[in-house]
Amino acid sequence: AQSVTQPDIHITVSEGASLELRCNYSYGATPYLFWYVQSPGQGLQLLLKYFSGDTLVQGIKGFEAEFKRSQSSFNLRKPSVHWSDAAEYFCAVEGLFGNEKLTFGTGTRLTIIP
Amino acid sequence: SAVISQKPSRDICQRGTSLTIQCQVDSQVTMMFWYRQQPGQSLTLIATANQGSEATYESGFVIDKFPISRPNLTFSTLTVSNMSPEDSSIYLCSGRGDLNTEAFFGQGTRLTVV
Repeated sequence: AQSVTQPDIHITVSEGASLELRCNYSYGATPYLFWYVQSPGQGLQLLLKYFSGDTLVQGIKGFEAEFKRSQSSFNLRKPSVHWSDAAEYFCAVEGLFGNEKLTFGTGTRLTIIP
Repeated sequence: SAVISQKPSRDICQRGTSLTIQCQVDSQVTMMFWYRQQPGQSLTLIATANQGSEATYESGFVIDKFPISRPNLTFSTLTVSNMSPEDSSIYLCSGRGDLNTEAFFGQGTRLTVV
């Protein structure tokens, strides 16, 4: 079965600084990969996804993520964070062709300091 | 992607009672799912809501406790039955279209059982 690990429970970053959130997955092949963001009291919003092709994917709000097959990783990055980026970030994986379930990591809570 | 309207957005309920959560999608979707997010935790899949047939439940979740209906391709309900304080969570519904599309989420229902 697939699994997702987000090793950082909580990250604090200064506004304007760069950000990288880590995500590692376990799956027998290349899965579909996603990053979702959850603001306080809100549902989940899709930031970006990787299905195939270019391993560097661009998402909304200036986020990008890079799929590295050799490291089984899909880390999320942003060159300069804004106070509005404070939220919970979830990495998720799904098996090929969407036949399997969406499995979420435990999440990383991002705090932005002025 | 499609938009899911979920209601209620929050509720406080007495133990032993039941609450039904509704999700309405603004377009037909192939699959709908129900998740639970316990305080400070990630999302756990409760079940897949199948149109016109019984839902498919994940390990640890049973129909008597979480009956689900999906009468058509745009609507689903989840009932949390005979509630206890341990059922206090955020409940989210999710939908997705065909293969190779991402899942999208409702805003969630924050349930508190007292």
